[in-house]
Amino acid sequence: QSVLTQPPSVSGAPGQRVTISCTGSSSNIGAGYDVHWYQQLPGTAPKLLIYGNSNRPSGVPDRFSGSKSGTSASLAITGLQAEDEADYYCQSYDSSLDVVFGGGTKLTVL
Amino acid sequence: EVQLVESGGGLVKPGGSLRLSCAASGFTFSSYSMNWVRQAPGKGLEWVSSISSSSSYIYYADSVKGRFTISRDNAKNSLYLQMNSLRAEDTAVYYCARDGYSSIPPSLDYWGQGTLVTVSS
Repeated sequence: QSVLTQPPSVSGAPGQRVTISCTGSSSNIGAGYDVHWYQQLPGTAPKLLIYGNSNRPSGVPDRFSGSKSGTSASLAITGLQAEDEADYYCQSYDSSLDVVFGGGTKLTVL
Repeated sequence: EVQLVESGGGLVKPGGSLRLSCAASGFTFSSYSMNWVRQAPGKGLEWVSSISSSSSYIYYADSVKGRFTISRDNAKNSLYLQMNSLRAEDTAVYYCARDGYSSIPPSLDYWGQGTLVTVSS
């Protein structure tokens, strides 16, 4: 059971917008620590998607965006595409546990 | 091109030891903190350990503290993970990853392909 809670799965049709939540507490996200997001395509290593809550590394499409408020963070994907089907993980820091990842969310493109 | 290539994984018996290596290229290795992250079969990501650029700061997950040792050789552009007293629950793909933005938590901008460690009798 991770200290960062993500929905196990989300789905959406091509072209739609989906959001993935990452809920923490006052010892991690609520304490002001940054949240990063990773995308893991089947059979591959994770890829950094969003860092510092809302920043995109070079090469990441602007269809992906991140936000943070209070003890939660969210990843939004607009204009959903078939190649977005993957597992998504949030990551932050917990004052008791050090670096922590969310349990992961499987995105299915219908 | 940034490349991270892990090696050293394999099958080991419970209680045994293994040393993982990660060869880095395409960037100034000595300028970046590095990390090990693992993923058990069919499960999520778990941070294992971090080491700062000059090895001054080292951190471990509670699950491996006292059993695993992270180290690096900046002259050889290499990262290591010495794993002792291995348990079945250590079975996972182990990734090395670079902290690209020196943030808290580390933002892992480049990952290796991973090396599989299987602990079984």
